[in-house]
Amino acid sequence: GAVVSQHPSRVICKSGTSVKIECRSLDFQATTMFWYRQFPKQSLMLMATSNEGSKATYEQGVEKDKFLINHASLTLSTLTVTSAHPEDSSFYICSARAGALNYGYTFGSGTRLTVV
Amino acid sequence: AQTVTQSQPEMSVQEAETVTLSCTYDTSESNYYLFWYKQPPSRQMILVIRQEAYKQQNATENRFSVNFQKAAKSFSLKISDSQLGDTAMYFCAFMPPSGGGADGLTFGKGTHLIIQP
Repeated sequence: GAVVSQHPSRVICKSGTSVKIECRSLDFQATTMFWYRQFPKQSLMLMATSNEGSKATYEQGVEKDKFLINHASLTLSTLTVTSAHPEDSSFYICSARAGALNYGYTFGSGTRLTVV
Repeated sequence: AQTVTQSQPEMSVQEAETVTLSCTYDTSESNYYLFWYKQPPSRQMILVIRQEAYKQQNATENRFSVNFQKAAKSFSLKISDSQLGDTAMYFCAFMPPSGGGADGLTFGKGTHLIIQP
């Protein structure tokens, strides 16, 4: 079945530094990938839609300059959290669609980011 | 914008019992897709079941079935013969049909289901 690989699974960084999270579709091509954020005991909130070869589309309230998204190939999207602060600590999950619309989306295993 | 509401933050049932998780949504679209995802403690999102709005027949996947009431905008999940491994967060999700799959999912707040031995 369709597999989305996300790395790293956990990362701890110092406040003010940048962190890159990778999302790869292993056995299918994904022209569109999605990035979600999930705070503890809360739901997933869509942050942005990553489009291969073009600019990402950000949801209202998401800072474009803080959350940089690059989708340079059909199998890789990256999310870079720039100048991270403790309030950016969260669980970040990517997803992509493989197959027909009614199939739904395959999710990566998520990245737990802790900013200290 | 679409909204998805799950009114049960937490539910607990005994193993082998049947449990129903509720979900309502609000949309002006006539055609769309609905999903139930499971998120166990590992936090990996797992697709449980899906339903196309244009299909009147309720989807079924083994012990999991839905009661889709389009007019009422209701999409409940029934789990029969519940098992300990069913313990997880369950999220109801909405996807519009537009954009060839370029739209992300809108999730409800989730229901924490606990299966007691």
